[in-house]
Amino acid sequence: QSVLTQPPSASGTPGQRVTISCSGSSSNIGGNTVNWYHQLPGTAPKLLIYSNNQRPSGVPDRFSGSKSGTSASLAISGLQSEDESDYYCATWDGSLNVVVFGGGTKLTVL
Amino acid sequence: EVQLVESGGGLVQPGGSLRLSCAASGFTFSTYWMDWVRQAPGKGLEWVANIKQDGSEKYYVDSVKGRFTISRDNAKNSLYLQMNSLRAEDTAVYYCARGLLGAASHWGQGILVTVSS
Repeated sequence: QSVLTQPPSASGTPGQRVTISCSGSSSNIGGNTVNWYHQLPGTAPKLLIYSNNQRPSGVPDRFSGSKSGTSASLAISGLQSEDESDYYCATWDGSLNVVVFGGGTKLTVL
Repeated sequence: EVQLVESGGGLVQPGGSLRLSCAASGFTFSTYWMDWVRQAPGKGLEWVANIKQDGSEKYYVDSVKGRFTISRDNAKNSLYLQMNSLRAEDTAVYYCARGLLGAASHWGQGILVTVSS
């Protein structure tokens, strides 16, 4: 059971917009910034979004992040087949003094 | 180019020990927090431990406290994870990561640790 809650799966058709939620509490998301990572099968995770809504260089602007209260969201617009991946949110939990991850969301492009 | 290369993984019997290493290059190692993250087969990501730039602060997930020790050698640009009293549930791919929660987060390719008799 992950401290951060993500839907296990999400899907969309090419061109659509999909969102992935990440729900936490005041000790983690509520008090700290959120990073998002994506992971293709058999490869290492890569940073997608940092500080809630910032994109590292090289990440397309189709990817956006937001945070409100104790929840965060990742939005992908103009969905493409290469967006099929696992997506994870992560943040610091100030009560537990640990990094916490969401359980991951497998995105399928139909 | 930023590179993080893990080594030291393999097959170990329950109760045994392993020491993972992570060789860093392409950036100023001594200026970053460093993390270990693991992923059991077919499962999600689990953070294991992290260490401050000068080694003065270390944090661990509860399941490894007292068994795993994270350390670093800034002169050698290297990160380590000493794993003792290994259990079957420690079987995973272990990733070394630079500044996991920062803007410059970067991960190594991972190394497999299998705990089995």
